[in-house]
Amino acid sequence: QQQVKQSPQSLIVQKGGIPIINCAYENTAFDYFPWYQQFPGKGPALLIAIRPDVSEKKEGRFTISFNKSAKQFSLHIMDSQPGDSATYFCAATHAGKSTFGDGTTLTVKP
Amino acid sequence: DAGITQSPRHKVTETGTPVTLRCHQTENHRYMYWYRQDPGHGLRLIHYSYGVKDTDKGEVSDGYSVSRSKTEDFLLTLESATSSQTSVYFCAISELNTEAFFGQGTRLTVV
Repeated sequence: QQQVKQSPQSLIVQKGGIPIINCAYENTAFDYFPWYQQFPGKGPALLIAIRPDVSEKKEGRFTISFNKSAKQFSLHIMDSQPGDSATYFCAATHAGKSTFGDGTTLTVKP
Repeated sequence: DAGITQSPRHKVTETGTPVTLRCHQTENHRYMYWYRQDPGHGLRLIHYSYGVKDTDKGEVSDGYSVSRSKTEDFLLTLESATSSQTSVYFCAISELNTEAFFGQGTRLTVV
């Protein structure tokens, strides 16, 4: 049973566009929701994270929107750039264990 | 990169042989994790550790064992490698419910 569902699987946008990646979770015990960015041949690296006591968090061009009642959260990338082309993973964490979504491959065309 | 090193970075091994992957950290983080990454499956937790000699299973633990005799080292052993264990393996470290720092990965091929 997959506890974190991520969509879409892949996404192509033009430079300057605003890609949105969505995740839904089932376990209400999750209490930390990070997003990771991964480039080919590298390990994932934290992009931005949120805790369930806030509904939105912004860091630079990246924003997480969090809907606790719907058990959903999403990543928005403002003014996307070709350098943002990567795979993005959402995760949900509780008691030290993280469950990851299956990832979204983002391509930003120049 | 955070102080986390995986070795080896690449390995080819034969079916049925035991294989050990090593993760070494210099950050003194309490939690250490082994994940495998396969196309279409994201990152799946194999085993994790919450302290020296304290380990627990993840969602895909069959065929794998781990050991943590020191804070800084977390070993993953494939007891008898199979082709289905061909994957990229990532080690990660963290404190409780905070950012995880990932290693560079180990690409393992079982032939």
